[in-house]
Amino acid sequence: AIQMTQSPSSLSASVGDRVTITCRASQDIRNDLGWYQQKPGKAPKLLIYATSSLESGVPSRFSGSGSGTDFTLTISSLQPEDFATYYCLQDWNYPRTFGQGTKVEIK
Amino acid sequence: EVQVVESGGGLVQPGGSLRLSCAASGFTINTYSMNWVRQAPGKGLEWISYITRSSRTIYYADSVKGRFTLSRDNAKNSVYLQMNSLRDEDTAVYYCARDRNEEAFDIWGQGTMVTVSS
Repeated sequence: AIQMTQSPSSLSASVGDRVTITCRASQDIRNDLGWYQQKPGKAPKLLIYATSSLESGVPSRFSGSGSGTDFTLTISSLQPEDFATYYCLQDWNYPRTFGQGTKVEIK
Repeated sequence: EVQVVESGGGLVQPGGSLRLSCAASGFTINTYSMNWVRQAPGKGLEWISYITRSSRTIYYADSVKGRFTLSRDNAKNSVYLQMNSLRDEDTAVYYCARDRNEEAFDIWGQGTMVTVSS
């Protein structure tokens, strides 16, 4: 199974900060990667698919980049509603595998 | 509104069985593959199973293979996860998620809690 390694596992940031989360795959997954946001007690929500395609309705401050094994989720200006846990998910093959998550907390 | 709603969770003893259901509304389920994802308390997300539109292809995570069975009834717009030989480590919130073109889980349910405990 492909291993997805996210970093950092947590971070503290302030409103307005630029935040970057990375995800590394254990093998080449082309651009078959998505990013999901999860708030406490809620279901995950799709933010980005195919590495860099923004899901409909998701604010443009979210962006994704990368290819092959290294991927990045960037929040250009952190907003209060963005404090949550973020997961990457590879959809190159089965079993699908998630990163371990990055918790974004208020500084 | 496009949504999926899970049901069937509850408390079960180790070795017991449960059947989870995922009912779709606002869209026709026979045009989508579907997945189940779980999340143990305080832990991350774990994909556990996938089924194609026709049920021709079904995949399982190693952690549930041989114990869980995924099926669907397109006429009822639903998918089902039969869970047998449950273990303590199967305790989790179970989410049903719609698979869009093999590239995104775009619609998620609210989840159903399964607790395996004696």
